[in-house]
Amino acid sequence: SAVISQKPSRDICQRGTSLTIQCQVDSQVTMMFWYRQQPGQSLTLIATANQGSEATYESGFVIDKFPISRPNLTFSTLTVSNLSPEDSSIYLCSVTARGTNEKLFFGSGTQLSVL
Amino acid sequence: GESVGLHLPTLSVQEGDNSIINCAYSNSASDYFIWYKQESGKGPQFIIDIRSNMDKRQGQRVTVLLNKTVKHLSLQIAATQPGDSAVYFCAENSNTGNQFYFGTGTSLTVIP
Repeated sequence: SAVISQKPSRDICQRGTSLTIQCQVDSQVTMMFWYRQQPGQSLTLIATANQGSEATYESGFVIDKFPISRPNLTFSTLTVSNLSPEDSSIYLCSVTARGTNEKLFFGSGTQLSVL
Repeated sequence: GESVGLHLPTLSVQEGDNSIINCAYSNSASDYFIWYKQESGKGPQFIIDIRSNMDKRQGQRVTVLLNKTVKHLSLQIAATQPGDSAVYFCAENSNTGNQFYFGTGTSLTVIP
């Protein structure tokens, strides 16, 4: 399986600011995804991070609020912009790695609290 | 995305008993399913997967059953241990895309 490093692991941010989360994988991966997990709830797919092109967003998520970059096969960032308390969630990077038969693996997540 | 739901949001079992966690999915095009375990403060951990050309797959103490007729899958945990206490999610993937969609989750509590 791929080893996925996410940082920061947690942060507390003020309303109106932005937070950028980094995801680094130790091997080349085929797909990278960003999920949100609101308190006590399941995982909701935000977008697919595409290498060298704009991310593919799920319904209800837009690029202005959640800009995503993926400059290469092993690295991606998710920015949560113009933060409000409703953005308080866990944000998770996930990947499917070469040779793992499409299994989806997760990082440990970023716990975001917005005051 | 697809709708994936679970029948039981919480489940309590006695240590040593078997646990069964259920999941319903709505997209008949889904052909690959994964069960995850998530402990507090951690990301989801892969447990076991199954493809639509199978109806049963076994791992270490875990078995996944897939019923495509009624679009239902289950996770069976044998001889449940306190370390199995966690939230369990099913996720589905269709052959039309690479995205995985998750069910609502079941919180399993093992009573010593």
